[in-house]
Amino acid sequence: EADIYQTPRYLVIGTGKKITLECSQTMGHDKMYWYQQDPGMELHLIHYSYGVNSTEKGDLSSESTVSRIRTEHFPLTLESARPSHTSQYLCASQRSSTNSPLHFGNGTRLTVT
Amino acid sequence: QKEVEQNSGPLSVPEGAIASLNCTYSDRGSQSFFWYRQYSGKSPELIMFIYSNGDKEDGRFTAQLNKASQYVSLLIRDSQPSDSATYLCAVSPDTGRRALTFGSGTRLQVQP
Repeated sequence: EADIYQTPRYLVIGTGKKITLECSQTMGHDKMYWYQQDPGMELHLIHYSYGVNSTEKGDLSSESTVSRIRTEHFPLTLESARPSHTSQYLCASQRSSTNSPLHFGNGTRLTVT
Repeated sequence: QKEVEQNSGPLSVPEGAIASLNCTYSDRGSQSFFWYRQYSGKSPELIMFIYSNGDKEDGRFTAQLNKASQYVSLLIRDSQPSDSATYLCAVSPDTGRRALTFGSGTRLQVQP
């Protein structure tokens, strides 16, 4: 079972603040992903990475940015939070093989007031 | 047309019945297929994966794949109220440089 950790679990923050959502995995997986999901709605891919110094935008336009300086760490940053950013953010990792499943973290539920 | 399509439901079945969840995909070169279960407010968790045409069984769960019809399904036998959740179908592309594609999910309700 993959170990993938997201912090914080819940975050309530005011408009205009800069925030970083943390995601770390201990399985040495090359691929990592960030998804955004509103309650009862589908998953939307916002960023992904195939390895160190490799990041790409996903299908959903996002004002967030990501970095991948170390294999195990894939933080997501919002420079200026807005109420429209209120959502659940899910991090996932995957081995390099195309046949490998994604393993998800517990998510960060973000509320911007 | 979405790349991975699922009926949003809700699919309602009585306890003890077989629940059948379906998924179609558009990329004929897709290699791997995954079923995830997601409880409300929780992260998706992997239930099963299937790579080859035919059936694959794991306990009460059976995944069925038909690549010619571009169709994958999940059967849940002896459905329990604890199976009530949203089931996500995910499809892996034919190259390693693209991300997994998820369907929008089917909500299953098992009535006691």
